Amino acid sequence: GAVVSQHPSWVICKSGTSVKIECRSLDFQATTMFWYRQFPKQSLMLMATSNEGSKATYEQGVEKDKFLINHASLTLSTLTVTSAHPEDSSFYICSARGWGRALNTEAFFGQGTRLTVV
Amino acid sequence: GENVEQHPSTLSVQEGDSAVIKCTYSDSASNYFPWYKQELGKRPQLIIDIRSNVGEKKDQRIAVTLNKTAKHFSLHITETQPEDSAVYFCAASISRAGGGNKLTFGTGTQLKVEL
Repeated sequence: GAVVSQHPSWVICKSGTSVKIECRSLDFQATTMFWYRQFPKQSLMLMATSNEGSKATYEQGVEKDKFLINHASLTLSTLTVTSAHPEDSSFYICSARGWGRALNTEAFFGQGTRLTVV
Repeated sequence: GENVEQHPSTLSVQEGDSAVIKCTYSDSASNYFPWYKQELGKRPQLIIDIRSNVGEKKDQRIAVTLNKTAKHFSLHITETQPEDSAVYFCAASISRAGGGNKLTFGTGTQLKVEL
C-alpha cells in the first residue's frame, strides 16, 4: 500500500505553546488529507478535511483558529495546535487519499502523533 | 451527516472460534465500507473493504457482508488467533471518482482472543 509518514510520533509540550505535526505522502500525490483525533479507548473523530491549495473544512465543534491546517502541496499537510492546553492531549492521526490509489477510495494513515500537554 | 453505529463494543472469543462485528449506517448514499484493525498506539490498518455493488467479499479468514437495504454490514473472522486481538473499526463513506470523501468511523470493537 501507499506510505504516509507522520512526524513527530510523540511530543510533550508546555501549556500555552504551539505544536506542529507533519503528514507526508511519500509515494503518491495526496489530493485530500484528513486529520483525526483519538482519545483513549475511543474512535477516530474527524477534525478537518483539507484539499491541496484550498482552505480546510472543519467539522462542527472544531476550532479552526486553534487547529491550523495547511495543505500547501500534494505531498504535505500540517496541523498546528496553537496555545495547547492539557485537554488537547490526544492521539492525532492523518490520512490521505489521492490519485492512482484504489480509485480515490482507500485512505492511508500516518503513524499518529501522541501529544501530551503539561 | 453520516452516522455509523458498531456492536459489540467488546468481544471475547476462544481461539479457533469465529468473531462477528456488526455496523449500521444512516446515509443511503454511502457506497464504500472499509474495516480497520488498530493495535494500541498504532495506526489503523485496512483489513478488508467492500463497495456497494457487492454483497460479500472474502479474504482468507476474513469476510465482510453488506446489506444495502437494511444499511448494515458485518465483519466475520473465522478460526481466530491470539494475534487477531485488537480494536476493529468499521467505517462508511461516499466515494466518487475525483473526490476524496471523508470516512465516518464506528465506535470500535475491542476483540480479545483467548487461548
